[in-house]
Amino acid sequence: RKEVEQDPGPFNVPEGATVAFNCTYSNSASQSFFWYRQDCRKEPKLLMSVYSSGNEDGRFTAQLNRASQYISLLIRDSKLSDSATYLCVVFASGGSYIPTFGRGTSLIVHP
Amino acid sequence: EAQVTQNPRYLITVTGKKLTVTCSQNMNHEYMSWYRQDPGLGLRQIYYSMNVEVTDKGDVPEGYKVSRKEKRNFPLILESPSPNQTSLYFCASRQGGGMNTEAFFGQGTRLTVV
Repeated sequence: RKEVEQDPGPFNVPEGATVAFNCTYSNSASQSFFWYRQDCRKEPKLLMSVYSSGNEDGRFTAQLNRASQYISLLIRDSKLSDSATYLCVVFASGGSYIPTFGRGTSLIVHP
Repeated sequence: EAQVTQNPRYLITVTGKKLTVTCSQNMNHEYMSWYRQDPGLGLRQIYYSMNVEVTDKGDVPEGYKVSRKEKRNFPLILESPSPNQTSLYFCASRQGGGMNTEAFFGQGTRLTVV
C-alpha cells in the first residue's frame, strides 16, 4: 500500500461547484500535512498547510482526520482558474526530512 | 524576486554522457532538495541537503550525485545517464529542515536520455 494515496481523478466540475478531495496516509505517526497545487508542466506551489483544527483560506478549506488518517481539501465556488493537479504532502514524525507526495488529484473546472 | 532557478529547462542527451543540472536559490535557505516526477508515480525525492557540505539520500538516489559547496547552489549530477532517468526534475528549497516551512520549487528540467 502506498504511503500517501490520492484519487487521480480527473474531477470534472462546472464553475461554481463545490468539490472535495481526500488524501489518505498510512503512517499513523505522520505529523505535518500540506496541499500543493501544480499546473500542467509547471512547478508545484504551496496552496495551504493543514492544521489539526482545520483551516480555511478564502474558498479553500483543509481538514485533518487523524483517527481515519486522511486529509481533505474542499473548494467552494470553483473557478476556471482552479483547474490544476492538487498534491498532498505528508511528513512522518521523528524529524524526517523526506516528505511523501501523493500522486495528485486532477481537477478540471469547465464553463 | 525570491526564486529557485534551474538550468537547463530542457535537455536531450545520450546514454552515458555525464550531465549536470544546476539549481540556485536567492532566499538564503538552508534546506535544498531534488525530486523527479514521473507519470503515475508522483514526486520522489532524490537527494537533500540540510546545509553546506551536508547531503543525504532521499527515496531514489541511485544513479545521481549532488554537492553543496555553497548555500545557494545544489547541482544534480548524472555521471552516466540511462534512459530510465528520463523524467521531469525539480529542485526545491526551504528555510530550515522543519516540517512546517514552505518549499519553493524551481521551474523544472525535462530530461530525455536516449
